[in-house]
Amino acid sequence: KAGVTQTPRYLIKTRGQQVTLSCSPISGHRSVSWYQQTPGQGLQFLFEYFSETQRNKGNFPGRFSGRQFSNSRSEMNVSTLELGDSALYLCASSLGQGDTDTQYFGPGTRLTVL
Amino acid sequence: GQNIDQPTEMTATEGAIVQINCTYQTSGFNGLFWYQQHAGEAPTFLSYNVLDGLEEKGRFSSFLSRSKGYSYLLLKELQMKDSASYLCAVMDSNYQLIWGAGTKLIIKP
Repeated sequence: KAGVTQTPRYLIKTRGQQVTLSCSPISGHRSVSWYQQTPGQGLQFLFEYFSETQRNKGNFPGRFSGRQFSNSRSEMNVSTLELGDSALYLCASSLGQGDTDTQYFGPGTRLTVL
Repeated sequence: GQNIDQPTEMTATEGAIVQINCTYQTSGFNGLFWYQQHAGEAPTFLSYNVLDGLEEKGRFSSFLSRSKGYSYLLLKELQMKDSASYLCAVMDSNYQLIWGAGTKLIIKP
């Protein structure tokens, strides 16, 4: 079974621009979660999508948004980029069925904002 | 608020045993996960505990005490490839994962 894939792997943008990141989950997985990871900060939860609906949301500003398609693929968008948005963005997929649900991570997209 | 605490960094010797602790305070509890993350790579799943006690999986074991809000990951017969960050995460009452900042484990020959 193919793992979680994310595109692009690396991205360089300038302040004020917007960016869209893509995540394809493991086949059969209906939940996709997005995280931001910066050095020393650990994983910061952005949001989770399940069956095309946002099921959970972290404490990020409205500039961060996402969506999920009927094939469970998900996209994350960041508008009006700031220098502090430079980070590794990880997506994780899971079956989405409750307490024994293990998340499997993609390789991440490393975003650099100049 | 919700909180997961882990040591920032630990050092151990190849061939030895190391225990990485994790304490948590969360709104509800639906299980605790441990992940391994090598530098520049994505986290990979190691273990899941939802009942009290020890779960053993090869060289790695994970322990949970729900009454104490405490878990540890035990790594035996350490190898150089075990140098990585180890992330503790708790699933809260909303089935949302709350993550610790991770423990960077350095293995010395």
